[in-house]
Amino acid sequence: QVDLQESGPGLVKPSETLSLTCIVSGGSISSSSFHWGWIRQPPGKGMEWIGSVYYSGTTYKNPSLQSRVSILVDTSKNQFSLKLTSVTAADTAMYYCARLRDTLTAAGHYVRFFDFWGQGVLVTVSS
Amino acid sequence: DIQMTQSPSSLSASIGDTVTITCRADRDIQNYVNWYQQRPGKAPRLLIFAASNLHSGVPPRFTGGGSGTDFALTITNLQAEDFATYSCQQTHSTPETFGQGTTVGIK
Repeated sequence: QVDLQESGPGLVKPSETLSLTCIVSGGSISSSSFHWGWIRQPPGKGMEWIGSVYYSGTTYKNPSLQSRVSILVDTSKNQFSLKLTSVTAADTAMYYCARLRDTLTAAGHYVRFFDFWGQGVLVTVSS
Repeated sequence: DIQMTQSPSSLSASIGDTVTITCRADRDIQNYVNWYQQRPGKAPRLLIFAASNLHSGVPPRFTGGGSGTDFALTITNLQAEDFATYSCQQTHSTPETFGQGTTVGIK
């Protein structure tokens, strides 16, 4: 059973950088079968995909956040991280990390989904 | 970005009821839809992938269907642990987008 745990400050000041880490246990982050992603959910709103990273360091980011987001992987520590720069109150949200799996269906095409998630960490942007 | 519109935004039901939540995409996304459950204080949980495939360990009272633009999640014989928020996600195009969520409450 894979377990993911987010950690990081719960309060960040406007214009500063939000930094979170996701520690993966029960499985290797270096597995070629998975990507690792960040998702956030502002209070009372739907979830938003932030971006994903492969163990090689290759990243995929939401274009709406791309200029402010960096996602790094540390295979030696079996963890990956998120940095979001120049935060504003609009970045206040529950932040989740999750494992992204690609699977070949019986119909012969690949589908992907987040199959394991962390419990999330609430980050508030406020002075 | 592909917009996913869920309905209703909330509903009330009793244990033993059958409930259906729908999700509509603003363009054809074939069957690239997943469904997740969120309970307060718990990690989100994958229920259904590729529109109709039950994820490992998920009870068969959860079923998913649809293709193209219209999708549905049905919960039969509602149990106490099913009172939660449910969200759809499309993975047809980047950025992958979610619906706004449907909260299933106790009547």
